[in-house]
Amino acid sequence: EVQLVESGGGLVQPGGSLRLSCVASGFTFNNYDMHWVRQITGKGLEWVSGIGISGDTFYGGSVKGRFTISRENAKNSLYLQMNSLRAGDTAVYYCARVTWNSGSSFFDYWGQGTLVTVSS
Amino acid sequence: DIQMTQSPSSLSASVGDRVTITCRASQNIRKYLNWYQQKPGKAPKLLIYAASSLQSGVPSRFSGSGSGTDFTLTISSLQPEDSAIYYCQQSYSTFRTFGQGTKVEIK
Repeated sequence: EVQLVESGGGLVQPGGSLRLSCVASGFTFNNYDMHWVRQITGKGLEWVSGIGISGDTFYGGSVKGRFTISRENAKNSLYLQMNSLRAGDTAVYYCARVTWNSGSSFFDYWGQGTLVTVSS
Repeated sequence: DIQMTQSPSSLSASVGDRVTITCRASQNIRKYLNWYQQKPGKAPKLLIYAASSLQSGVPSRFSGSGSGTDFTLTISSLQPEDSAIYYCQQSYSTFRTFGQGTKVEIK
């Protein structure tokens, strides 16, 4: 069974840092691109960042230069290092697996999410 | 970034009704459009990928169509468990973007 379990969320002051983790199981982690998607409470989904199987990284405009995505295949783990946090970063953060089929990609498995609250 | 616009923002329909949600992309995204369903307190669930392919395990009352800039998600016969928010998402660009969501309520 595919499982993605996020951790590391919590309360942090503006300007602070936090590192999120996502541990994967039930599939060969190093064969899949992985992404982070966030959701402000009561709002829609916002794509945050992605990392390919070769380690290439991509970031949304609102987090570029502040967030860093990484992966550690030996530990089946995905990370999101978040620096210079702002109130607007307050959200539930999901990790999601990417599957490719006939040239199209999609998020077929999601974690349960971890809440990040940026407040003084 | 590619902008995704869904309509309507919300709708209310009766059990058994046919429901249609539309999604428009700000540029041609060919067939690279996915649909997700999200229920309160839960992670999104993939329904449709590549505009019209039904994800394994998803009921056949869900279908998708479209290409280029205009796409549609249809629920052929609305069921009580379909009450949720539905999002479209483009995967044409490396920088994925979602629509703002459509809330479907049961009358």
